[in-house]
Amino acid sequence: DIQMTQSPSSLSASVGDRVTITCRASQGISFYLAWYQQKPGKAPKLLIYAASTLHSGVPSRFSGSGSGTDFTLTISSLQPEDVATYYCQKHNGAPLTFGGGTKVQI
Amino acid sequence: EVQLVESGGGWVQPGKSLRLSCTASGFIFDDYAMHWVRQVPGKDLEWISGIFWNSGRAAYADSVKGRFTISRDNVKNSLYLQMDSLRVEDTALYFCAKDGDSSGGLYYFDSWGQGALVTVSS
Repeated sequence: DIQMTQSPSSLSASVGDRVTITCRASQGISFYLAWYQQKPGKAPKLLIYAASTLHSGVPSRFSGSGSGTDFTLTISSLQPEDVATYYCQKHNGAPLTFGGGTKVQI
Repeated sequence: EVQLVESGGGWVQPGKSLRLSCTASGFIFDDYAMHWVRQVPGKDLEWISGIFWNSGRAAYADSVKGRFTISRDNVKNSLYLQMDSLRVEDTALYFCAKDGDSSGGLYYFDSWGQGALVTVSS
């Protein structure tokens, strides 16, 4: 099965900073990658699918890029409400594997 | 507004069974695949099973294959997870999730319930 590896596992940044999170697939998955945001005690929320398509209602400071094995989630200007754990997930067929998560703090 | 409400969680001894239910509203249920995703509190997300829109196909993670069975009732707008031969390591919060793609296949998750806690312990 394809493994998904995120880096870093955690990061600390300041309000207004540009933040980049990386997700790497152990085999090529074309553009079939989604990103989620999960705040403590809450269910995850979909941010991006198909590597770069912003889900409805998601602020435009979030963006995704990449294809094949290497993907990036970027927050262009970090806001206090962005404190959360972010997960990537491959969606090119079962199993629908998640990455290990990246905890973003301010 | 999409709503997904899980029920059926609780405490169970190892080797026993439990059945989770998820009641859906706010969308055309039989247009979409549905999934179960679990999370040990404080740990990572794990997709465990998904079922196509018409129940024609289902898929499972290796960790639950042969022990868990996913099903759906498109008349009742409900999703189910029958969990047999439960193990201590199955202890987790179980989320019901709606697939985000209207083709009916297994892709990504655009709506989630709040989760049902399953505790497996002697």
